[in-house]
Amino acid sequence: SAVISQKPSRDICQRGTSLTIQCQVDSQVTMMFWYRQQPGQSLTLIATANQGSEATYESGFVIDKFPISRPNLTFSTLTVSNMSPEDSSIYLCSVIQGSNSGNTIYFGEGSWLTVV
Amino acid sequence: GNSVTQMEGPVTLSEEAFLTINCTYTATGYPSLFWYVQYPGEGLQLLLKATKADDKGSNKGFEATYRKETTSFHLEKGSVQVSDSAVYFCALSDRGSARQLTFGSGTQLTVLP
Repeated sequence: SAVISQKPSRDICQRGTSLTIQCQVDSQVTMMFWYRQQPGQSLTLIATANQGSEATYESGFVIDKFPISRPNLTFSTLTVSNMSPEDSSIYLCSVIQGSNSGNTIYFGEGSWLTVV
Repeated sequence: GNSVTQMEGPVTLSEEAFLTINCTYTATGYPSLFWYVQYPGEGLQLLLKATKADDKGSNKGFEATYRKETTSFHLEKGSVQVSDSAVYFCALSDRGSARQLTFGSGTQLTVLP
């Protein structure tokens, strides 16, 4: 299974600032995804990040607010820009890994952000 | 579009009780189905999966069978433990949606000693 490391694991951020979350995978993967989990809620997909192309954003999420980089097949970053308390969430990186039994989607431990 | 409907919680059981968490889905293609678990203060972990009809996923005493005829993937465990207390998410991945995951709303399980 893929091992996914995220940094930071937790942070407390000031309103109006920006924070970049890093996601490192121990193997090369084509597709990486960024999800948000607001307190007490399920997960919502922010965007899909493939190496060599612009990220594809879901409805309700825009590049100016959540810029994403995908410089190579093992790394991606998500920036949460101009943060407000509503951005307090867990942000999770995930990847798809194939095997003989089909594709499985794995998650990092998450980055728990609190905006004050 | 794809959707996952999950049994609403919270669910509270006594240790050694039988657990069922219902999950039904709607998908345009032939999805893979997953159960993820989130323990308190932790990230999301894959619990089990099934990739085609009649497949049974199992792990840590939990089981779920991919039922295409009823579009369901109910999670079961014969005897729960206090350490099973967590939030459980049913999810599907469909090639038609570029393999991204669609999640259910999550079910909070609390097991009392």
